[in-house]
Amino acid sequence: GEDVEQSLFLSVREGDSSVINCTYTDSSSTYLYWYKQEPGAGLQLLTYIFSNMDMKQDQRLTVLLNKKDKHLSLRIADTQTGDSAIYFCAEKGYSTLTFGKGTMLLVSP
Amino acid sequence: EAGVVQSPRYKIIEKKQPVAFWCNPISGHNTLYWYLQNLGQGPELLIRYENEEAVDDSQLPKDRFSAERLKGVDSTLKIQPAELGDSAVYLCASSKRDRGRVGELFFGEGSRLTVL
Repeated sequence: GEDVEQSLFLSVREGDSSVINCTYTDSSSTYLYWYKQEPGAGLQLLTYIFSNMDMKQDQRLTVLLNKKDKHLSLRIADTQTGDSAIYFCAEKGYSTLTFGKGTMLLVSP
Repeated sequence: EAGVVQSPRYKIIEKKQPVAFWCNPISGHNTLYWYLQNLGQGPELLIRYENEEAVDDSQLPKDRFSAERLKGVDSTLKIQPAELGDSAVYLCASSKRDRGRVGELFFGEGSRLTVL
């Protein structure tokens, strides 16, 4: 079955880089995603990566994919206080997305 | 472009009472999802619609939960009767078939249910 694991909490200082990690189990996943959820809001797609890619960069965001280890990471450069939120890793199975439990990122000034 | 709209945002009821949530997806999105999000957890799929057809409802507790999507646009999710364990956030999401962005779901703000 599909299962997505994430560390639950990360605390960084403003201006530092943040790295959020995720492991997944479904080797047939075609796409892997990072969603962001701010307090009291729904999830918002941040970025995604196709399974035949190793890396994708999008402004301050860098996604790294290690298919051999089924490991996905999201790096946020120059983390800002506005980046404080919960970040969900998700994989696309047969028909829909399976989400991890989320990593709460706290950015302190 | 208007986003996914859900109502009510908050609902407090006593156990054994019924409750209903409403969702209006983004115009043109043929796929609609209801997710359950418990505190400290990621969203879990309850039901997925393709137009008006429920194509994946395997995780929907059918003894007390029901959903409908008449005319393939708006959708309602009902719980009757509600139990204490149903306290959670119910998220609606929609998507359209787009080869370039497969899997991009647009979420509403959610309906937070508290069962006393």
